[in-house]
Amino acid sequence: GAVVSQHPSWVICKSGTSVKIECRSLDFQATTMFWYRQFPKQSLMLMATSNEGSKATYEQGVEKDKFLINHASLTLSTLTVTSAHPEDSSFYICSVRRGSYEQYFGPGTRLTVT
Amino acid sequence: LAKTTQPISMDSYEGQEVNITCSHNNIATNDYITWYQQFPSQGPRFIIQGYKTKVTNEVASLFIPADRKSSTLSLPRVSLSDTAVYYCLVGDNGNTGKLIFGQGTTLQVKP
Repeated sequence: GAVVSQHPSWVICKSGTSVKIECRSLDFQATTMFWYRQFPKQSLMLMATSNEGSKATYEQGVEKDKFLINHASLTLSTLTVTSAHPEDSSFYICSVRRGSYEQYFGPGTRLTVT
Repeated sequence: LAKTTQPISMDSYEGQEVNITCSHNNIATNDYITWYQQFPSQGPRFIIQGYKTKVTNEVASLFIPADRKSSTLSLPRVSLSDTAVYYCLVGDNGNTGKLIFGQGTTLQVKP
């Protein structure tokens, strides 16, 4: 069965609004989760590392004020895209780290900003 | 994190064995090699992971030469449903856990 879930699976929003995407670890507690973004026909790009109980660590070039990450519990991390614009339209994927060498990916969330 | 290089695309036919090679010349001593599969509009799915020599599971085999500067994912008797993008990743997951994805290999299986 699924190890990681994401909600919603797809969302359409108007430009200027904010959208929250949830990532849940279903089978185990996760102190570390990751957020990726994937544009059509491109590879996954790591956006940030979400750490439970502390601030997220963002990759170079990712605006932390635009992509707000909250890892409030050991099973939930949220990504909020603030003041979304059409260029933020993408496929957002989270992953959950288990142990030292295992990582499980969520099914992804398709965001379309009109 | 070691950079990986894979062929951009490969074609195969149903029932054939497919081998996808990945180069990772700067692999570090603590790095593991992991392969993921991704279908359109889905998250990547773990296929196999290894450190050296050969690893086999129910879906694939991973061959790693002694110098570990490359690795080959072997898919036996592919079917149409194996059409996907395959990513080779190298990293010391035990540290930061970060996975940096390369371009991947788009495998097209034809009937």
